[in-house]
Amino acid sequence: GNSVTQMEGPVTLSEEAFLTINCTYTATGYPSLFWYVQYPGEGLQLLLKATKADDKGSNKGFEATYRKETTSFHLEKGSVQVSDSAVYFCALSARLLDNAGNMLTFGGGTRLMVKP
Amino acid sequence: EAQVTQNPRYLITVTGKKLTVTCSQNMNHEYMSWYRQDPGLGLRQIYYSMNVEVTDKGDVPEGYKVSRKEKRNFPLILESPSPNQTSLYFCASSLITTSIDEQYFGPGTRLTVT
Repeated sequence: GNSVTQMEGPVTLSEEAFLTINCTYTATGYPSLFWYVQYPGEGLQLLLKATKADDKGSNKGFEATYRKETTSFHLEKGSVQVSDSAVYFCALSARLLDNAGNMLTFGGGTRLMVKP
Repeated sequence: EAQVTQNPRYLITVTGKKLTVTCSQNMNHEYMSWYRQDPGLGLRQIYYSMNVEVTDKGDVPEGYKVSRKEKRNFPLILESPSPNQTSLYFCASSLITTSIDEQYFGPGTRLTVT
């Protein structure tokens, strides 16, 4: 079946540091890939997405590139801020044609803490 | 405003007392889903629905029921709650195109079962 693996946290960084959160996946066919963010006390919200190989999703200074050859979708940001402190979830959505069962899979989440 | 609403937001109850958490979306989405979030375990899917009258088990369905009689509503039912169902619950919805698109999440329901 489909699966998503994220690096375990927490990840603790100083403000303005470079961020990478690794995400790799296993899936049949060509899934869509997502990063969601959960700020303290809130629900998840979409951060960025990519729907095909080599697509780059970007939002709020965050980027992730859909790498089919390495089955990865790593999240990066060049300079983190205290306000980026949150839990980040990688997720995949398999295509209807590729999957007869549940098409949606989330990673375990990675907590990011940014210190001033 | 496009949104997913859940009620109640907070609930403290006792073992065995049936409860329902409501979920409603106003975006005409086909796909709806329930998750629970527990420390160290991430987000786990309980049940999902691809459309009206179509529901299916997720990863942790034991002890839960759902129904999808209308497109906008997807209530989560705990017939006989137990303390191990103490958790933070999220409802979500999305369109289905060639795959399940971006999920819109509700604000969460924090349930405590004593």
